[in-house]
Amino acid sequence: AQSVTQPGIHITVSEGASLELRCNYSYGATPYLFWYVQSPGQGLQLLLKYFSGDTLVQGIKGFEAEFKRSQSSFNLRKPSVHWSDAAEYFCAVGPGNQFYFGTGTSLTVIP
Amino acid sequence: DTAVSQTPKYLVTQMGNDKSIKCEQNLGHDTMYWYKQDSKKFLKIMFSYNNKELIINETVPNRFSPKSPDKAHLNLHINSLELGDSAVYFCASSQQGMGTEAFFGQGTRLTVV
Repeated sequence: AQSVTQPGIHITVSEGASLELRCNYSYGATPYLFWYVQSPGQGLQLLLKYFSGDTLVQGIKGFEAEFKRSQSSFNLRKPSVHWSDAAEYFCAVGPGNQFYFGTGTSLTVIP
Repeated sequence: DTAVSQTPKYLVTQMGNDKSIKCEQNLGHDTMYWYKQDSKKFLKIMFSYNNKELIINETVPNRFSPKSPDKAHLNLHINSLELGDSAVYFCASSQQGMGTEAFFGQGTRLTVV
């Protein structure tokens, strides 16, 4: 069965520091992987996605993620965090017309 | 121009009432979804429709009944509301096919008192 694990529930970083959010997935076939961001009171916005090809994908707002098949991981990174990045981040796996989400990681950014 | 729109944004109602949430997408997608987000932010898929046909029905109480009058609309009707139904409900849509992402509405915060 497909599943997504996000180990960090709450993460606090200083503004300007680098960020890495972890995501591990379980899926029997080629995974289609996504990172979404949810700002308070808002819906989910797609940051980036991986389908095939280059394992390092670039997204919006300066985010990138790297797919590592051997580790079943799709970690999200940003070299320098801004205060506006404070939000909930969700990793998802989508085998077509179904999307399964991780439990989310809440990011707090301190000045 | 909103891609996936839900109404209402907030819904406060008493236990035992029946309520509906409406969703419309103008992206031309053929698949629509309802997700429930609980107080811990966990997102759980409830239903998925493809071209007005139900294709996913997770373990959701029978009190929840989706209805898709056309492929641009997916409504959610809830009968006999319970306190535990309080959550944020998200509608989403995608185009069928491998690797396409889902687009989400702004959510409906349902509070049952």
